[in-house]
Amino acid sequence: DSGVTQTPKHLITATGQRVTLRCSPRSGDLSVYWYQQSLDQGLQFLIQYYNGEERAKGNILERFSAQQFPDLHSELNLSSLELGDSALYFCASSVAVNTGELFFGEGSRLTVL
Amino acid sequence: AQRVTQPEKLLSVFKGAPVELKCNYSYSGSPELFWYVQYSRQRLQLLLRHISRESIKGFTADLNKGETSFHLKKPFAQEEDSAMYYCALSARVYSGAGSYQLTFGKGTKLSVIP
Repeated sequence: DSGVTQTPKHLITATGQRVTLRCSPRSGDLSVYWYQQSLDQGLQFLIQYYNGEERAKGNILERFSAQQFPDLHSELNLSSLELGDSALYFCASSVAVNTGELFFGEGSRLTVL
Repeated sequence: AQRVTQPEKLLSVFKGAPVELKCNYSYSGSPELFWYVQYSRQRLQLLLRHISRESIKGFTADLNKGETSFHLKKPFAQEEDSAMYYCALSARVYSGAGSYQLTFGKGTKLSVIP
């Protein structure tokens, strides 16, 4: 499957811990986006990378960070986790930066206990 | 800042009835709007975009700049249309090196009753 892949699919951890979510974009896509989806907030844009460079930042907390590696995969690091960080985290990719056509992964469901 | 509003969380219609999923936006620039759909157990995917003025799976959406709306319509609903629908707006952002940010509404769950 050459679509967007995300790991892990599910993750349960405790408050105060740190986790890393991983995303591999579609073959040929240079841009990677991270979104957080919680029940009450809908899909919230976190951050975007293009060919290894940060291009746009949304509502991303300081406790969260991300990067895109030379092979174009991306990681989202969440630290000092709080109960409210429990959500579905989506990665998406696109060929260019100036497009609204994104291809989404299946998401990583994070539960903080 | 841009905003997308989908006023209905849930919309139930009977099979064969017309469907209209509402979307309103606020944005000071020239908007580029999209509809995304998520079927049960599938990933979020693009349904259509206003620029292409296309009809996908019988759905159409017209951008009305005067009313700042981009409602999604289908004349006759089918059971397979049951899904979560998200309206999204692509807007230029100037943080970092600059890019376009896709802002989503909170979504409307469409349920088509047989």
